[in-house]
Amino acid sequence: AQSVTQLDSQVPVFEEAPVELRCNYSSSVSVYLFWYVQYPNQGLQLLLKYLSGSTLVKGINGFEAEFNKSQTSFHLRKPSVHISDTAEYFCAVSEWANQGGKLIFGQGTELSVKP
Amino acid sequence: NAGVTQTPKFQVLKTGQSMTLQCAQDMNHNSMYWYRQDPGMGLRLIYYSASEGTTDKGEVPNGYNVSRLNKREFSLRLESAAPSQTSVYFCASPNPLTGGQGRTDTQYFGPGTRLTVL
Repeated sequence: AQSVTQLDSQVPVFEEAPVELRCNYSSSVSVYLFWYVQYPNQGLQLLLKYLSGSTLVKGINGFEAEFNKSQTSFHLRKPSVHISDTAEYFCAVSEWANQGGKLIFGQGTELSVKP
Repeated sequence: NAGVTQTPKFQVLKTGQSMTLQCAQDMNHNSMYWYRQDPGMGLRLIYYSASEGTTDKGEVPNGYNVSRLNKREFSLRLESAAPSQTSVYFCASPNPLTGGQGRTDTQYFGPGTRLTVL
């Protein structure tokens, strides 16, 4: 069965430091991969996605992620974080053959950027 | 172009009461979804509708019903609310991907409904 695991529930980091939020998935078929961000008291919005092609994808606000098929991972990185990056981040997976395009979400990682 | 809208934004119910959460999208998408978000559990799919006139159960459908009223609207009903249904509810609608077979791209989320059941 398809599943997504975000390895860290909370990540505290100082402003201007690099950050990596880890995501592993399990699936027996090919997948699409997404990272969504949720700012306090708001809905989710897309940060970046991997559908096909280059395994290194770039998203909004300076974030990037790399799809590693052999390790079934899709870790999110940013070289220098800002206070405004404080939010909850969700990794999500959709299987190619999934009728209706259902997403399976990870448990979320709270990124807290301190001055 | 509002994207995905949800009403109400907040609701407090007593155990056993019923209510309907409304969702509408103006992007002419075929698929619509209802999720619930609980701390430490991410988002879990309650029901989805791959096209007008069809609905299917997701991961946590018990205690809920849905209606795909037309292509724009997808409502979620709690017939007899329970404290375990205290949650934040999100409606979403994805861009379709070319190639058919129901594959979808980015999901667009509404602002959410924060429901408390006492």
